[in-house]
Amino acid sequence: GDSVTQMEGPVTLSEEAFLTINCTYTATGYPSLFWYVQYPGEGLQLLLKATKADDKGSNKGFEATYRKETTSFHLEKGSVQVSDSAVYFCALSAPLVFGQGTRLTINP
Amino acid sequence: NAGVMQNPRHLVRRRGQEARLRCSPMKGHSHVYWYRQLPEEGLKFMVYLQKENIIDESGMPKERFSAEFPKEGPSILRIQQVVRGDSAAYFCASSPKGDTQYFGPGTRLTVL
Repeated sequence: GDSVTQMEGPVTLSEEAFLTINCTYTATGYPSLFWYVQYPGEGLQLLLKATKADDKGSNKGFEATYRKETTSFHLEKGSVQVSDSAVYFCALSAPLVFGQGTRLTINP
Repeated sequence: NAGVMQNPRHLVRRRGQEARLRCSPMKGHSHVYWYRQLPEEGLKFMVYLQKENIIDESGMPKERFSAEFPKEGPSILRIQQVVRGDSAAYFCASSPKGDTQYFGPGTRLTVL
């Protein structure tokens, strides 16, 4: 069946560091790909999405490119902030299949 | 435009009781999904509904769990005779067309 594998956390960085969270997937067909973010005690918020190969999703300085040849959708941000501390989930549709989540902590 | 609403936010039940979780989708959304998140784990799909129809319940446990999305009113996830292993966060998501899903804040169920 379909599956998503994320890099294991937790990940701890200093403010203004470069962020990469790896995500690879296994799926039949051509799924849409998503990154969601979850802040403590809250639900998931859609961060960005891509619906076909080579699409780049972007939002709030985060980016991810749908790479069909490597079945990947890695999340990147050039300069992280303390407010980016959260758990990040990679997912494919639909219904959504989630990775296990990566807990990110940014230190000032 | 209000987001996805879930209530209650926190629910405590004793073993053997029933739990009812409610989800009101965003306005204009006719697709509803339920997911369960166990502590320190990702979300697992449970059931996908449209108005008055269950489309996919492949993630639902075979016993004690049921879901509905009536013509009027919220979607309900019902857990009968709860056990400690049912303790989790239950999230509802809605979608206008079955693609991008928007999540509610979740109901955190604790079974004593």
